[in-house]
Amino acid sequence: GAVVSQHPSRVICKSGTSVKIECRSLDFQATTMFWYRQFPKKSLMLMATSNEGSKATYEQGVEKDKFLINHASLTLSTLTVTSAHPEDSSFYICSAEGQGIDTQYFGPGTRLTVL
Amino acid sequence: QKEVEQDPGPLSVPEGAIVSLNCTYSNSAFQYFMWYRQYSRKGPELLMYTYSSGNKEDGRFTAQVDKSSKYISLFIRDSQPSDSATYLCAMIGGSSASKIIFGSGTRLSIRP
Repeated sequence: GAVVSQHPSRVICKSGTSVKIECRSLDFQATTMFWYRQFPKKSLMLMATSNEGSKATYEQGVEKDKFLINHASLTLSTLTVTSAHPEDSSFYICSAEGQGIDTQYFGPGTRLTVL
Repeated sequence: QKEVEQDPGPLSVPEGAIVSLNCTYSNSAFQYFMWYRQYSRKGPELLMYTYSSGNKEDGRFTAQVDKSSKYISLFIRDSQPSDSATYLCAMIGGSSASKIIFGSGTRLSIRP
């Protein structure tokens, strides 16, 4: 299957700082990337969908000014959590789909802890 | 009512047992049905992918879809300790073709 990577795998930051998470498709061109959030023992919740070169589409209830998404190339999307607070602590997972890819492939996730 | 309902478990069975995992859903527009396996602190990994009603087998895994009952199942035969993980059902379809709707996941533990 296709490979999607995320960096960093784990990050701890102080409240009020911003954190950037990268999502890369390693062996295919990702026309669309998705960002999910997962709380412990809960399902994945879609935060936003981004198409390369255009603005992301955010799900209801997700603050676009807080969770900045950039999809500048066909292999890279970034999620920046601005002015992070402890309630933003969560597991953030990206996925990607593209031409010739039959479904979304998920990254390994990034564990964010805000102190 | 949630679009997808899944028993969170935990489910604990002895090694070698047959495991049955299930989900129900309410949106009749769903057309694609998936099962993901997620190990602790890892991203989900696609196990099975089926379209419409019927069965699909892949090694020890069988996925079953009954659209008339809005019910899907994943069976694991000859379960192994390495199968211990959280299993998430997921579905796509309707007006938002790429949006995957996930179940809450079932935690499965296989006892040696």
